[in-house]
This record gives sequence, structure tokens and C-alpha cells, in this order.
Amino acid sequence: DTAVSQTPKYLVTQMGNDKSIKCEQNLGHDTMYWYKQDSKKFLKIMFSYNNKELIINETVPNRFSPKSPDKAHLNLHINSLELGDSAVYFCASSPPGLSEKLFFGSGTQLSVL
Amino acid sequence: QKEVEQDPGPLSVPEGAIVSLNCTYSNSAFQYFMWYRQYSRKGPELLMYTYSSGNKEDGRFTAQVDKSSKYISLFIRDSQPSDSATYLCAMHAGGGGNKLTFGTGTQLKVEL
Repeated sequence: DTAVSQTPKYLVTQMGNDKSIKCEQNLGHDTMYWYKQDSKKFLKIMFSYNNKELIINETVPNRFSPKSPDKAHLNLHINSLELGDSAVYFCASSPPGLSEKLFFGSGTQLSVL
Repeated sequence: QKEVEQDPGPLSVPEGAIVSLNCTYSNSAFQYFMWYRQYSRKGPELLMYTYSSGNKEDGRFTAQVDKSSKYISLFIRDSQPSDSATYLCAMHAGGGGNKLTFGTGTQLKVEL
């Protein structure tokens, strides 16, 4: 009965590869997010989707492309991975009208070698 | 200067102590103030949520907001080893955009 689940939990890959992270929520929320947490624990928003529509697109390299096939799923595809992409990526969702109340997944630890 | 400043710690206290965690911020438009708790290798979870200035209490946790000083606090009474985690403050200006601004988190360790 996991609320926000993301896969994989760990991702180790070589520079230049392309990889995807998947996220699903069963909370019935309309809004989903991708956050990046660096080694100093700083959590920064990357993207936000509301009911499959992109509403926040922070200054993120266009090698990162989110896709929301429906409001319960938000995937993140990363092309041409770089060393600096190594971080923990969190998927999150929020209830309608309560974007302050984020429900996070357990994170995907991405290591680019 | 970051919009939200938070001492990274680590902060180590004995079990039963009162813990005070703080954040300062520079954006006077922030109206909503949150505290998230993050255990190691887990996602953050919402702990406290307050709107505008004032206090809010929930069990052993009290959140305080002083908008005039741009300063927020989280107090933990009778701290337990299970409170050991990283505590992140977060803020939101309200309105559209759905964008929270997080502090860098304070790592807390409660020792037996």
C-alpha cells in the first residue's frame, strides 16, 4: 500500500548513458513533482505536473525530460548522463489545493561513473 | 545568499532534551511554513505545517513562526532516539506555481 513509489532505488551507470526513473502514486493526487537532492541535502524542485500538464519547469538541462502518461504516473528520462547528475532524485505528489503538503517517494540514488 | 538558511549541524543531544531547530529566510512573500523530517535513505515526510505567524503544537512538536523577524523554529520536547533524522524547513508564498523552497536541513542525533 505504498503511497508514492519510485523505481529503481539505486542506479549506477556510466557517463553518456541514457536512463529513466519511474514514479507512481496511489493517493489520488493531481500534482506530481521531481526533486533533486544533492550531497549536501539541498532539495530543489525540477519539474511539476498537474493532471498531466507541465506547470513548473525549473532551470534544468534539456537532457532531463519528464513524462506524465496519466495523473498517477510521472517518469523522468535523462539523456547523456554527466558526473554532475549524481544525486538522489525524489518523486512527490500533493493533494489538490495543498501544494505545501508533499508526499515523497523513497528516492532514487543515481551514481554516474 | 540563499532564500532559506538553516544550520546543517550535526546537532547531538541526550535523550529527553528539548531540541530547537531554526531557519531564517529573506523572502517576505512566504506565507506557508513547513517542517519535514527525513530519515536516512528515505524521502522527507511532512511533520508540521503552519500558515503565517504564530505557534502550532502537535504532541511533542511545536512550530513557531515570526514573520517580522523572518525566523521559524521547531521545538521537540522529550527527544527520543527515534527523532534522529534530518529536519528540513520549507516555505511557500502561496498562490499558483506549487513551488516550495527548502532549507538545507539540520541533522539531529538523539543519544541514549
